Amino acid sequence: GENVEQHPSTLSVQEGDSAVIKCTYSDSASNYFPWYKQELGKRPQLIIDIRSNVGEKKDQRIAVTLNKTAKHFSLHITETQPEDSAVYFCAASKGSGNTPLVFGKGTRLSVIA
Amino acid sequence: DTAVSQTPKYLVTQMGNDKSIKCEQNLGHDTMYWYKQDSKKFLKIMFSYNNKELIINETVPNRFSPKSPDKAHLNLHINSLELGDSAVYFCASSQTNRGTGELFFGEGSRLTVL
Repeated sequence: GENVEQHPSTLSVQEGDSAVIKCTYSDSASNYFPWYKQELGKRPQLIIDIRSNVGEKKDQRIAVTLNKTAKHFSLHITETQPEDSAVYFCAASKGSGNTPLVFGKGTRLSVIA
Repeated sequence: DTAVSQTPKYLVTQMGNDKSIKCEQNLGHDTMYWYKQDSKKFLKIMFSYNNKELIINETVPNRFSPKSPDKAHLNLHINSLELGDSAVYFCASSQTNRGTGELFFGEGSRLTVL
């Protein structure tokens, strides 16, 4: 089955700097790659996703890139703010049949003011 | 108007007891899930139901028994609770079972087994 590796497990950045979180997946048939943000004590929520027919997607300060050949995708957050502090999860799915999302182990991002 | 709601939010119980967590979604979604989040924050799928039918059962001990009376509800019953069952249990729903749409999570139910 699919295996998603996520790095780093923790990341601290100064406010205003950029943050990058990287994930790799094992199943070349995977074609859907969402990112979820979980603030302390809250539920995970989708912040951005990308499908395999697209190499990059942006939404204001966040962007996701996908390299299908390397089976690698990344989340980029620019101009970080204290409210970006959270645990971020990447995930991957084949998108066929009864296919669950497989999550990475999460990255705890701390933005220091 | 909460999209995915689960109760109770907190559960503290003794080893060996039986407990249930209830989940309801008002999004009209076909697919519902139970995820377990351990102390290291790892989100692991336990079960998935599509239109009341069990479609995913990820090697969960049979002390855990999900039940879906209709496609808007998915409950989780746990027998003979063990210390290792302590975790936050999230219910979630999605429009389809293909894993390519947004997952809407409930607020989580924090289970503590003493």
